[in-house]
Amino acid sequence: EDKVVQSPLSLVVHEGDTVTLNCSYEVTNFRSLLWYKQEKKAPTFLFMLTSSGIEKKSGRLSSILDKKELFSILNITATQTGDSAVYLCAVEGYNTDKLIFGTGTRLQVFP
Amino acid sequence: DAGVIQSPRHEVTEMGQEVTLRCKPISGHDYLFWYRQTMMRGLELLIYFNNNVPIDDSGMPEDRFSAKMPNASFSTLKIQPSEPRDSAVYFCASSQTGPETQYFGPGTRLLVL
Repeated sequence: EDKVVQSPLSLVVHEGDTVTLNCSYEVTNFRSLLWYKQEKKAPTFLFMLTSSGIEKKSGRLSSILDKKELFSILNITATQTGDSAVYLCAVEGYNTDKLIFGTGTRLQVFP
Repeated sequence: DAGVIQSPRHEVTEMGQEVTLRCKPISGHDYLFWYRQTMMRGLELLIYFNNNVPIDDSGMPEDRFSAKMPNASFSTLKIQPSEPRDSAVYFCASSQTGPETQYFGPGTRLLVL
């Protein structure tokens, strides 16, 4: 059965800290892995990863995929209070048009 | 474009009542997805449509749940009869090319008492 496991479940840090969020997966015929940020409302797209070892970067956020070890990490450097959110990881297989989501990591950044 | 539109935004009902959630996808998007999100189970796909046709409803929890898409601009998710364990946030999302490019609506927060 396809599944996505995220860790840690929850993280509390101070502004300026660097955090690493983990996502491991099992999916038949892996196609892509996606990261979303969810604040109070709907998830918003951050990154889509399809190839191993190629870092995607957007400002202070970056992500990389390891298709051999079946995991991805999301890094946030110099965290700010606005980074407080639930970060969701999802995977898609070639055999299907649906995403399998992890339960998310809740990040709280305090001033 | 206004994005994906969902209504109502909040719904409080009593156990046994029928609940209908509505979704208007982004114009031109051929895919429509219904999700349910709870603290315990996270974000789960219930059903998705392609060109108004239900493709995969394996995530629909039981027969009390049904979904329709009568045309390209409207979909409903119905729960009849509702139960307290149905309390969750229900998201609709739409996409032009597939799940990797989907846009989420604001969600409907459902509370069944």
